Amino acid sequence: GAVVSQHPSWVICKSGTSVKIECRSLDFQATTMFWYRQFPKQSLMLMATSNEGSKATYEQGVEKDKFLINHASLTLSTLTVTSAHPEDSSFYICSASRGVSNEQFFGPGTRLTVL
Amino acid sequence: GENVEQHPSTLSVQEGDSAVIKCTYSDSASNYFPWYKQELGKGPQLIIDIRSNVGEKKDQRIAVTLNKTAKHFSLHITETQPEDSAVYFCAASPETSGYALNFGKGTSLLVTP
Repeated sequence: GAVVSQHPSWVICKSGTSVKIECRSLDFQATTMFWYRQFPKQSLMLMATSNEGSKATYEQGVEKDKFLINHASLTLSTLTVTSAHPEDSSFYICSASRGVSNEQFFGPGTRLTVL
Repeated sequence: GENVEQHPSTLSVQEGDSAVIKCTYSDSASNYFPWYKQELGKGPQLIIDIRSNVGEKKDQRIAVTLNKTAKHFSLHITETQPEDSAVYFCAASPETSGYALNFGKGTSLLVTP
């Protein structure tokens, strides 16, 4: 149990385009979902926290108009990178919490490459 | 805010030896301490966690110890195998749901045959 999926697993796009990444909890309801970004050989950096039906809370330095997060249901959150640029190339990972405790389950990640 | 420090950043051991990774944290409100294993190109996988009401927890070859007074916790892997090679992250947070995890910088473990 407690499986989280992400789609797509990798994406290559041109500079200036927008990319949407989906995060789904497959066998549980996720009261809270988190989005992280990870650069090569670095740790996970929290971008934002989202609760179902509420606006996401963004970490300092993360542009909310550039990284749009929607958490429309208890099993789905989406991250849209708008007007992507090469510096947005990174590994994006989501996690989901069931709400019983702070145990979090991570998705497999999405590799974004912006040309 | 919480600051989690993790050491060492790299660790190389021979197959069959033990590996120990240590983390310290700063926020006394933290009471949930998970450990994640991340293989190249994949998301982190929870391997073991401990809560503040427990001093030690073991799951087969993996164990975690917690010293709340000193604010440090450690991951112990015994009888290491080449498939244990990965990056390991410690994290800390309040146990209440909804709080993000504060991660250490990771330890790259290499187990050589």
